[in-house]
Amino acid sequence: GESVGLHLPTLSVQEGDNSIINCAYSNSASDYFIWYKQESGKGPQFIIDIRSNMDKRQGQRVTVLLNKTVKHLSLQIAATQPGDSAVYFCAESHISNFGNEKLTFGTGTRLTIIP
Amino acid sequence: EADIYQTPRYLVIGTGKKITLECSQTMGHDKMYWYQQDPGMELHLIHYSYGVNSTEKGDLSSESTVSRIRTEHFPLTLESARPSHTSQYLCASSVGQGFLGFEKLFFGSGTQLSVL
Repeated sequence: GESVGLHLPTLSVQEGDNSIINCAYSNSASDYFIWYKQESGKGPQFIIDIRSNMDKRQGQRVTVLLNKTVKHLSLQIAATQPGDSAVYFCAESHISNFGNEKLTFGTGTRLTIIP
Repeated sequence: EADIYQTPRYLVIGTGKKITLECSQTMGHDKMYWYQQDPGMELHLIHYSYGVNSTEKGDLSSESTVSRIRTEHFPLTLESARPSHTSQYLCASSVGQGFLGFEKLFFGSGTQLSVL
């Protein structure tokens, strides 16, 4: 089946620096991508999403970049803070004849912010 | 913030016991989901529901069952728990009103199940 995978399982970043978390996907029909943040002991929380007809979308301190040519997605977090330490998941979905598909999640990347 | 609640947060139980994991949401969302997650691993969809009296199996085969008698309630039941069922179980809901109509899931805090 299709898979969504992350390049690195762990990432450590100095507080205040920018971080980039990468994600590769294999389904060329993917229409929609979403990033979730999961803190210890909590369920995943929505961060930002992007549709395949866009290549960039910005939120508060976060930017998602989509490169459909190489099927690559990245999440950039600016000026990282201790509260950014968490596991980050990318997920993809695509439209089917029956409506929206279920999200497929990749393996998470654990981001650690070093004080 | 979404209002979706799971109980219990932690459950340690012996093999062979019947258990029910509770999930409730107060947002009136039609769609609800159960995911299974091992530590540091991806989420695997085990059940979902598009509305009352609708239940479907997900991508990962599971011995659990679900029911959807009320919109706000989506409990998951294991008739006979085994150590292989030890995992975190996450409940989610969505209304399908996310970005350009795509699903945006709201998750509960999860139930960590340990079967001895």
